[in-house]
Formats: sequence, structure tokens, C-alpha cells
Amino acid sequence: KQEVTQIPAALSVPEGENLVLNCSFTDSAIYNLQWFRQDPGKGLTSLLLIQSSQREQTSGRLNASLDKSSGRSTLYIAASQPGDSATYLCAVSFINTGTASKLTFGTGTRLQVTL
Amino acid sequence: DTGVSQNPRHKITKRGQNVTFRCDPISEHNRLYWYRQTLGQGPEFLTYFQNEAQLEKSRLLSDRFSAERPKGSFSTLEIQRTEQGDSAMYLCASSPTLGPDTQYFGPGTRLTVL
Repeated sequence: KQEVTQIPAALSVPEGENLVLNCSFTDSAIYNLQWFRQDPGKGLTSLLLIQSSQREQTSGRLNASLDKSSGRSTLYIAASQPGDSATYLCAVSFINTGTASKLTFGTGTRLQVTL
Repeated sequence: DTGVSQNPRHKITKRGQNVTFRCDPISEHNRLYWYRQTLGQGPEFLTYFQNEAQLEKSRLLSDRFSAERPKGSFSTLEIQRTEQGDSAMYLCASSPTLGPDTQYFGPGTRLTVL
């Protein structure tokens, strides 16, 4: 069974710190991996998409890496700000689930950036 | 067009009633997805459309659930004889046929079954 795990479940850091969120997945046969942000009671906002053939993607203060062989991805957030406070979800498109379009999500890391 | 829209945003119903949700995807997107998210969990895949064709359904989608996309544009998700366990956020997403397959999510419909 393909599963996605995110550690830690919650994280609190002071403003300005750099931080790393972790995502692991059980099957290395993937199409891609995506990181999303979700604010309380809201929908998901796509942050970064890493294709299977890529090692990393960057957008502003965010950098996501992918290591298929070890089944791991990290989301690095530089110089954190209070506005970064949200739940961050990792989602994987596994090859062996029948469709490239089906995403399997982790349970998320709830991030709080304090002043 | 500013993104995926979903209506209603909130729905409170009594157990046993039928409910229907609507999703309007980004206009040029051919793919449309439904997910369900319960508190503290990540979204779980329910079903997926390519244009008007429903190509995959999760085992989570019991016989009480039905989804349609009759003209390949908007989609509806109906839940018959609702149960308290159906209480969740129902999320819709869309993506273009070509491209990196990034899925764009709507704001969701929060269902509460009393």
C-alpha cells in the first residue's frame, strides 16, 4: 500500500528561523511529488511540484528536494515569517495506483511562526 | 477566471437527507478531482474526471455517493442518505490535460451531518 508520512506533526519556530519539513513515501515509483499549503478551514494552495526526474524545485524562500531512492522529500523554508503559519501537506502521485492524477496525501505539518 | 469555485461553502444537514455539492473548475482544465478531508487528516482521493468521463472511483465512494460531470465543465457530488461519518470537507481540484499536472484546489465545501 502506498503511504505518505510527514514528520513532525506540528512545529513552532521564532520568526526569522530557517526550517525543514519532512515527507517520506513508501514506494519509489512515482510520477511526481507536490507540496501544498492549507490555511485553517480553507482549500489547498500548490507551492512546488517536483517531477520524478527532478531533484529539487525552488520558489522564492521555498526549496523542495526529492530523493526517490530513499523515499524522501524535504521542504526548506528560509527566513520564516508569521505569514508562513499554516499546515503544509506533501502529496505523491504513485505510478502503481492506476492513474497519474491521483494524489496520496500525508497528514501534514502544522507550522506556527511566532513573533 | 480566478480559480476553482465550490458551492455551497458550508452545508448543515440532518442524518438521512440528500445533499449535492457543485464544483466549477478553471475554464480550460479538462481534469477534475474530488477529495474528502476529515479533521487533522490529509485529503483522500474520491474520484476523477477527464472531460465528462469518470475514469476512477475510490473504494471510499460508497453506493450512496455519485459524481457527475455531464458537459465536461462543472461537476456535482451527491451524497444520499447522509450519515454522521460523512461530515468532512469536500475538496474539488482541476488540472489541464497538458503540463506538469499541478492540481489547483477550490475552497472546499464543509459538510456537517447532525
